[in-house]
Amino acid sequence: AQSVTQLDSQVPVFEEAPVELRCNYSSSVSVYLFWYVQYPNQGLQLLLKYLSGSTLVKGINGFEAEFNKSQTSFHLRKPSVHISDTAEYFCAVSSSGGSYIPTFGRGTSLIVHP
Amino acid sequence: GAGVSQSPSNKVTEKGKDVELRCDPISGHTALYWYRQSLGQGLEFLIYFQGNSAPDKSGLPSDRFSAERTGGSVSTLTIQRTQQEDSAVYLCASSLSSAGGLSNEQFFGPGTRLTVL
Repeated sequence: AQSVTQLDSQVPVFEEAPVELRCNYSSSVSVYLFWYVQYPNQGLQLLLKYLSGSTLVKGINGFEAEFNKSQTSFHLRKPSVHISDTAEYFCAVSSSGGSYIPTFGRGTSLIVHP
Repeated sequence: GAGVSQSPSNKVTEKGKDVELRCDPISGHTALYWYRQSLGQGLEFLIYFQGNSAPDKSGLPSDRFSAERTGGSVSTLTIQRTQQEDSAVYLCASSLSSAGGLSNEQFFGPGTRLTVL
């Protein structure tokens, strides 16, 4: 079984400030990791994913995430946020061993203030 | 089409009625997923279709929920005798198949917001 914990349900931040959205997972097998963003009244959109190789993954809109196997974490970061980054962010994990069903975290609401 | 589409975008129904939600995946995507998203919750997996294989129904919350996928493309999620706790946003996603687990991106539709009065 696998699980995902997003430690913060809401993260308020001022525009142009850096931000980190935390994600921890548990799994007994190797994993693939994903971050998705959901803007209001829309479906989810992939920001970035980690499959293998370099632990630092760069995604769209200036976001990046680092896979840390020892800490079982995959935190999402952006050095300078914009108002338009206000959205819900979901971390997801799937096992690399054959299951095609991912597990999603409960989401973190990023609120960027001017 | 350009992306995953879902219809209707909003559905209001009375308790006890049946509803059908439709999903049109991206052409060529053999994998199709249904999720339920309740307020303040993450995505709850409901059902997974892969090509012509038997679907994985392990996430369906009760026997009032069912889904089918015709011709390996369009999918319909049916909820019978709706209850107020069924109120949620129902999301559909599709992806290209991949070997050894889900490594490909899921493309999500905009969802159907179901309200059961």
